[in-house]
Amino acid sequence: GAGVSQSPSNKVTEKGKDVELRCDPISGHTALYWYRQSLGQGLEFLIYFQGNSAPDKSGLPSDRFSAERTGGSVSTLTIQRTQQEDSAVYLCASSLAMAAPGEYFGPGTRLTVL
Amino acid sequence: ILNVEQSPQSLHVQEGDSTNFTCSFPSSNFYALHWYRWETAKSPEALFVMTLNGDEKKKGRISATLNTKEGYSYLYIKGSQPEDSATYLCAFNAGGTSYGKLTFGQGTILTVHP
Repeated sequence: GAGVSQSPSNKVTEKGKDVELRCDPISGHTALYWYRQSLGQGLEFLIYFQGNSAPDKSGLPSDRFSAERTGGSVSTLTIQRTQQEDSAVYLCASSLAMAAPGEYFGPGTRLTVL
Repeated sequence: ILNVEQSPQSLHVQEGDSTNFTCSFPSSNFYALHWYRWETAKSPEALFVMTLNGDEKKKGRISATLNTKEGYSYLYIKGSQPEDSATYLCAFNAGGTSYGKLTFGQGTILTVHP
């Protein structure tokens, strides 16, 4: 069956450009999470969507980062005016409302900011 | 800031060896402890969700124990195989308003040599 998918798988961009990362969760999963792993760091929470509730944005590192989830399904993480420290693997995960958070992870998007 | 630590950072074993690694986490505000396996170029795979002090969970040759009073969990692999080579991650879940926000350790990189 279809798992969590993310696109693109790799993205190389120049400092100062905006990027959009996409996540398609498993159908029916109401919870969606974004994490990132920077070089040498553990996975870091970014943002959490649960159904129609206001998202928990407490992990977003700066106001250059934003995310939306349209129609309770696809999510887009946008990074404006990218910086070199934004280089990381960005992972998306989804789960059923009451299941374990991050039950199913996508393959990630590797972002490199030159 | 929650501190979740894993040790060792990396481990090399021979095929057939049994091995174990540790995850330490805050003993207060505990809701659940998650273990994941992350193979190179793949999505992290959920192994266990552990919630009760004294919990022991098993999946094939992999098992885990939990001590919430002292704040640690052990992951054991019996008779390691080369396909067990991966990064093993633990993640602390404080529950409540933080339910969707997992705090990850930096992982233990396991390499099993044939």
